[in-house]
Amino acid sequence: LAKTTQPISMDSYEGQEVNITCSHNNIATNDYITWYQQFPSQGPRFIIQGYKTKVTNEVASLFIPADRKSSTLSLPRVSLSDTAVYYCLVGDMGSGNTGKLIFGQGTTLQVKP
Amino acid sequence: GAVVSQHPSRVICKSGTSVKIECRSLDFQATTMFWYRQFPKQSLMLMATSNEGSKATYEQGVEKDKFLINHASLTLSTLTVTSAHPEDSSFYICSARDLRTVAYEQYFGPGTRLTVT
Repeated sequence: LAKTTQPISMDSYEGQEVNITCSHNNIATNDYITWYQQFPSQGPRFIIQGYKTKVTNEVASLFIPADRKSSTLSLPRVSLSDTAVYYCLVGDMGSGNTGKLIFGQGTTLQVKP
Repeated sequence: GAVVSQHPSRVICKSGTSVKIECRSLDFQATTMFWYRQFPKQSLMLMATSNEGSKATYEQGVEKDKFLINHASLTLSTLTVTSAHPEDSSFYICSARDLRTVAYEQYFGPGTRLTVT
């Protein structure tokens, strides 16, 4: 399983765009990149998943360069409710694999008014 | 996204007793579920992979006789903490793979807070 490295913490203000970058230098060919959000005393919530280039959904965008050794989660116009821990995970999600995910330390995002 | 539930949401038990936590996939079948524990201010630690119809696979350092896992159906996995002690107090979270999605996305339950007194 590829190891990931993220900033431990980030601060932002309401209405700003937040970009959290994750490094995964040892990503394997079959690995997908997945981001989760976790609030205190709750289970992680799936945000977005991608394999290459750019993925966008209603809450975030995920940018993955051609070499796939890093990825950036972009949260547009954050609000106070986006204060949470964000985890970047890398793993082979194929049916022949267990899909096991190993969590790193995550990035604690603090959004200020 | 898919929904995963856990029961109970919190439980308090006395030292030496056993506690069972249920994890259910509500709108999809899950041949594989995972169990994690999380201590305050720390990340999630994978404990074991629960496979429907077969034995669970435990991560290194996790006592399989203490944390009994049963995955008897495609929508239910249970974690039993046997002879619980105060150091087992933690937040236990399960997840399940949704094989209907392109990349077999994994969804997490809301967690169970276990306090052993």
